[in-house]
Amino acid sequence: SQQGEEDPQALSIQEGENATMNCSYKTSINNLQWYRQNSGRGLVHLILIRSNEREKHSGRLRVTLDTSKKSSSLLITASRAADTASYFCATSYTGTASKLTFGTGTRLQVTL
Amino acid sequence: SQTIHQWPATLVQPVGSPLSLECTVEGTSNPNLYWYRQAAGRGLQLLFYSVGIGQISSEVPQNLSASRPQDRQFILSSKKLLLSDSGFYLCAWRDRANDEQYFGPGTRLTVT
Repeated sequence: SQQGEEDPQALSIQEGENATMNCSYKTSINNLQWYRQNSGRGLVHLILIRSNEREKHSGRLRVTLDTSKKSSSLLITASRAADTASYFCATSYTGTASKLTFGTGTRLQVTL
Repeated sequence: SQTIHQWPATLVQPVGSPLSLECTVEGTSNPNLYWYRQAAGRGLQLLFYSVGIGQISSEVPQNLSASRPQDRQFILSSKKLLLSDSGFYLCAWRDRANDEQYFGPGTRLTVT
């Protein structure tokens, strides 16, 4: 079964705006990873945040983690048309061979 | 640097036919390897994982099997395909240094 749920399911913004996607999960995690998937393609790893971290940055990406609320958010600043894709969060638990449990994804559309 | 390969990229097979999908990883040794399946418009579901040669763990009962004959080779197989086996199959490996998982380009399987 899906562990995480992304919110919103779909998001449409204009180029230059910021995009925020949220992910909720149900049980304690070891880490949480965000991925991007362009239509029909494989997943591209964006960022990993560990359970003892609260915020990480990578270029235009900012990820936060709130373990008390069992939620994470991915912020893409100054979005570009090339950011159009589906974004997934995936959680990993201690002692489980780092198996990932994926959320349902957020479909982001960035228009010119 | 590490790379992960999958082939074939696309495959159309009739119901009842056998299946063999291959995944190989370069530039690392003794990686954890994973097979995931993505149904249309959905997140990824873990099918199998392997922590070493000959060591396979199955996550869901199904019509598929996996094998790891060499350290960096992971094979997904079926003796007789079902219509429900259609989907996008992704192989992944885990970087033990930072826990990040990286995905291959995927194989799109259509069972007719």
